[in-house]
Amino acid sequence: DGGITQSPKYLFRKEGQNVTLSCEQNLNHDAMYWYRQDPGQGLRLIYYSQIVNDFQKGDIAEGYSVSREKKESFPLTVTSAQKNPTAFYLCASSMRGGWNQPQHFGDGTRLSIL
Amino acid sequence: EDQVTQSPEALRLQEGESSSLNCSYTVSGLRGLFWYRQDPGKGPEFLFTLYSAGEEKEKERLKATLTKKESFLHITAPKPEDSATYLCAVDETGANNLFFGTGTRLTVIP
Repeated sequence: DGGITQSPKYLFRKEGQNVTLSCEQNLNHDAMYWYRQDPGQGLRLIYYSQIVNDFQKGDIAEGYSVSREKKESFPLTVTSAQKNPTAFYLCASSMRGGWNQPQHFGDGTRLSIL
Repeated sequence: EDQVTQSPEALRLQEGESSSLNCSYTVSGLRGLFWYRQDPGKGPEFLFTLYSAGEEKEKERLKATLTKKESFLHITAPKPEDSATYLCAVDETGANNLFFGTGTRLTVIP
């Protein structure tokens, strides 16, 4: 079955540590996205990529980094510069770039601070 | 100012009791409005896209409608398995983002 796989499901970060969240899709979608979900808030965009080897910052990119070396993969690194990283992180993809395309989501990674 | 507001925040229905969820938006130009369903601990699941006022989409017990200021998600004769949080998101002309609402948490009691 085609879909988006996020791993791990749960992740714990120590102070000063960088951690990387994995996102893989086998839908052959061009565009991929990373969102952060916090209680009582709408999803907020961290980074997006509409094509391989290109990505753009979203509203809350500070303290995060991404790469898009392969069409199927869009890993997110939460750096030590992100002072409040505890959240539910969601990866999504869409067939083409453009915000009027429906996005399809993975099942998320919950990141907590030790 | 929030571009997307969903109401109510939470809704409890008896099984079979139909109701509607609201998503109101204040954007300068709407390119599309999306409805998603999210179960606890899971990612949102795409339900519908609406592009223009007057458009309607249906899927099983769900029907989404769109006006120039808001969208409704009508749930007819809901079942307990319809319990979830329903999110709407808006694509605004000229924006490089989607604006998501905070969702309506629906509980259907047997």
